[in-house]
Parts: sequence; C-alpha cells; structure tokens
Amino acid sequence: GESVGLHLPTLSVQEGDNSIINCAYSNSASDYFIWYKQESGKGPQFIIDIRSNMDKRQGQRVTVLLNKTVKHLSLQIAATQPGDSAVYFCAENTGANSKLTFGKGITLSVRP
Amino acid sequence: EAGVAQSPRYKIIEKRQSVAFWCNPISGHATLYWYQQILGQGPKLLIQFQNNGVVDDSQLPKDRFSAERLKGVDSTLKIQPAKLEDSAVYLCASSYQPLPDGYTFGSGTRLTVV
Repeated sequence: GESVGLHLPTLSVQEGDNSIINCAYSNSASDYFIWYKQESGKGPQFIIDIRSNMDKRQGQRVTVLLNKTVKHLSLQIAATQPGDSAVYFCAENTGANSKLTFGKGITLSVRP
Repeated sequence: EAGVAQSPRYKIIEKRQSVAFWCNPISGHATLYWYQQILGQGPKLLIQFQNNGVVDDSQLPKDRFSAERLKGVDSTLKIQPAKLEDSAVYLCASSYQPLPDGYTFGSGTRLTVV
C-alpha cells in the first residue's frame, strides 16, 4: 500500500553539528510535503513545507530537499541545538481533500 | 492568536465504557480534523470537517466512533464502547481552508483504556 516512512527510528547528534533526517514516500502523485516537530505532550508543530514543483526550500536553520526521482525527502537542521530534541515526522498530501499521511516518526536526540 | 484547544488532556477509562473529547479550533478556521496517534506512530486522520459537513471519514471506525461539529465551530469525538486498542492520543487540528497550509494542531487528549 502507499505509505510514508522514515529510514531510521532514532538519530543522535552532537550539539552544534548539522542533522539530516530522511524520509521515503511511495505515492508519486503527492504534490505537497510537510515536516513536523513533536515534543513530548504536545501536538505536531509545523517546521517547513515544500511543493512538488520545487527541489529545495530553506527556512531559519532548516532546509528541506525533495528528490522526486527516487521519492525521497530530507530535513536538514543546521547547528543543532538541545531544543531541537523531539520526534520529527514527514507528511505528504494525498487526495483532493488535502488529507495528510504521516510517517512513523524519528527521534532526534542532541548530545550536549 | 489562540491555538486549538482540546479537553480533557488525559482520560483513563475501562474497556466498554464511553468517552468524549472536545475541540475548539482557531477562530475563523473552516476546516477541522481529528487524528488518532498511537504511541510510536504518526497521526492518522479519522475525520475531516469543512464547516459542519463531513469531507472525509473513510478511516473512522463508525461502529464505535462518532464525531460532530455543530454550527461549524466546536467539535466532539466520541468512542462507545471503547476497546483496549483505542488507547492513543487524539489530536484535533484546524486550518483556514481544506489545504495543508496552516494546519495547526492542538496538544491532544491522551486516552488510556484499561
């Protein structure tokens, strides 16, 4: 079936290093992707989005890359900080009603 | 701007009991979503409302789950009777229009069925 998944369940990085979180999607018809951050006890928080007509989009300390050829999405976090520790989800837009399909999530742990 | 409000924050019930969750979306947001998030997984859409009409409820277990959005503002999600596998966080989200842009999630209600 169609799904959005993440390659690794956990990622541990040193404070100050760059983090790269990867995501594979299987629905080639998806045209919109979002990265969310979820801290314990809170709902998902929007980080950055990208539409399928783009390859790259930059925000503050974050960059999302989209490779439609291999159906791969990545989130790059520059100079990772302790406050970046959380679970990260990629989500894709499927269907005319803008339903979001989420992956299972990856935990980012930042070592001081 | 106030966020999406949900209550209660936590609920523990016995299996076969009923439970209801409440959501107050951001003012002016026409679209409201209920998601189920099982521990260790991403949220899964249960139902989507556009104003007070249902847009998508294809993944809602209708034999036990029901939801309504009277007057196109607040919404309630009910489970009756609850099963052990319903233990999850129930998230409400809202947006201006049926687009992913501007999705805002509430903090959720953590349900434990024992």
